[in-house]
Amino acid sequence: QKEVEQNSGPLSVPEGAIASLNCTYSDRGSQSFFWYRQYSGKSPELIMFIYSNGDKEDGRFTAQLNKASQYVSLLIRDSQPSDSATYLCAGTYDAGGTSYGKLTFGQGTILTVHP
Amino acid sequence: DARVTQTPRHKVTEMGQEVTMRCQPILGHNTVFWYRQTMMQGLELLAYFRNRAPLDDSGMPKDRFSAEMPDATLATLKIQPSEPRDSAVYFCASGRTGGYYNSPLHFGNGTRLTVT
Repeated sequence: QKEVEQNSGPLSVPEGAIASLNCTYSDRGSQSFFWYRQYSGKSPELIMFIYSNGDKEDGRFTAQLNKASQYVSLLIRDSQPSDSATYLCAGTYDAGGTSYGKLTFGQGTILTVHP
Repeated sequence: DARVTQTPRHKVTEMGQEVTMRCQPILGHNTVFWYRQTMMQGLELLAYFRNRAPLDDSGMPKDRFSAEMPDATLATLKIQPSEPRDSAVYFCASGRTGGYYNSPLHFGNGTRLTVT
């Protein structure tokens, strides 16, 4: 069983809509979560990270973390065709643990924003 | 912008040949990771180093893969002998770790390996 699971997708939304990407994790020891965007043939690029329960906003992106329910989500408001990519959720231990930043990735969700 | 540098970008080789991939982490980052990405398995951690010391290489087939960090500016991943199933994109990522919250990882552009 993978430690980080993403809703399989692919997800298709019209331009201007809100895209909602979800991720669940099995290990309650996970402390920090990251969302990476990966365009086809490119490397993963960090979009957001979140450590605390609640919402964290950055421009059109909002990350949400609920540690009690063990899920993380990413909302993209006013989706643009340029947002079309694979979105990777990753979790890691922190807080003086021994994982030293080791990220466990989900399989990714392919997002297509159509004009 | 500081970035992780990987070489080569592409490598095509025949089965049985040795392959060496190199990574220069971002200056000041003390932790270096090697990931492999395939369509079937996604991103898998192969090995990682902190302050040049290997921390975990359990994701790596030990009989043919080896990872080293000869100095703070160079990490290498070697496959000998290579096999067609090693065909994948190999990413190096670096970060700064050791505080309460570790810095996010930054990825290099990857080495796309094809073994025929």
